[in-house]
Amino acid sequence: EADIYQTPRYLVIGTGKKITLECSQTMGHDKMYWYQQDPGMELHLIHYSYGVNSTEKGDLSSESTVSRIRTEHFPLTLESARPSHTSQYLCASSEFRGTGGMKTQYFGPGTRLLVL
Amino acid sequence: AQSVTQPDIHITVSEGASLELRCNYSYGATPYLFWYVQSPGQGLQLLLKYFSGDTLVQGIKGFEAEFKRSQSSFNLRKPSVHWSDAAEYFCAVGDPGGGADGLTFGKGTHLIIQP
Repeated sequence: EADIYQTPRYLVIGTGKKITLECSQTMGHDKMYWYQQDPGMELHLIHYSYGVNSTEKGDLSSESTVSRIRTEHFPLTLESARPSHTSQYLCASSEFRGTGGMKTQYFGPGTRLLVL
Repeated sequence: AQSVTQPDIHITVSEGASLELRCNYSYGATPYLFWYVQSPGQGLQLLLKYFSGDTLVQGIKGFEAEFKRSQSSFNLRKPSVHWSDAAEYFCAVGDPGGGADGLTFGKGTHLIIQP
C-alpha cells in the first residue's frame, strides 16, 4: 500500500490568493512528481524532483513553483491564483530509476482546486 | 513526442461480463507501458506494467494486458467484471531512455458496470 498524502483534498479560493498544495510520502522515495489533470483530460507532468534541493519543470508549462527541502515533502505553490489554475493536481513518488529501469510511481489522492 | 490514445471515453458492461479497454501509443521504440485505475476520490493505483519479455502481463484484481508491437497496442482485459471495477482507467507510457521519468497518459476510459 502506497503512503503518499495530499492536503487539502479540495480547495476553493479567490483570484489573487497565494496557495500551497502539500504532498508528503513516507516511503523514502527520492523522486517526486506533480501532475495536472483538467476534467476529462489526460494527466500532464508539470514538476519533478530527483531528491532534496532538486526541482525540474515538466512537459507542461505551469505558473506554479515547487520546492524540495526534505525528502518526504514536495509542496506546490501558486503565488497568485487565477481561474485558469482550476484543475486537479496529483502528486506521485517513486524510487530512483537506477539500473533496474523505470520504477513504479505511486500517486496521492489529488487536490481539486477551484479558483473563483 | 510520445502520445497515448484511449479511443473509448465511456464503456458500459454488465456485471459478470468480460471487459476489454483499448490503448494505443505512439513512440519511436517500445516504451514502458502501464495501466492505472482511479476510483472516485482516490489516487491512481497501478494495475499492471510491461517493460519487456512476455507480452501477456498479469496484474492485480484479475486484470491482464497484452502488448502487441505490430499494433502499438496495450489493451486491458478482465474475464468477468465486478461492480467494484467501476472507475476511471488510464493507460500510460514511460520512456525507457530515462530522463524525467514522467508518464504520458491517455485521457482515460470511464467504466460503468450495469447490475
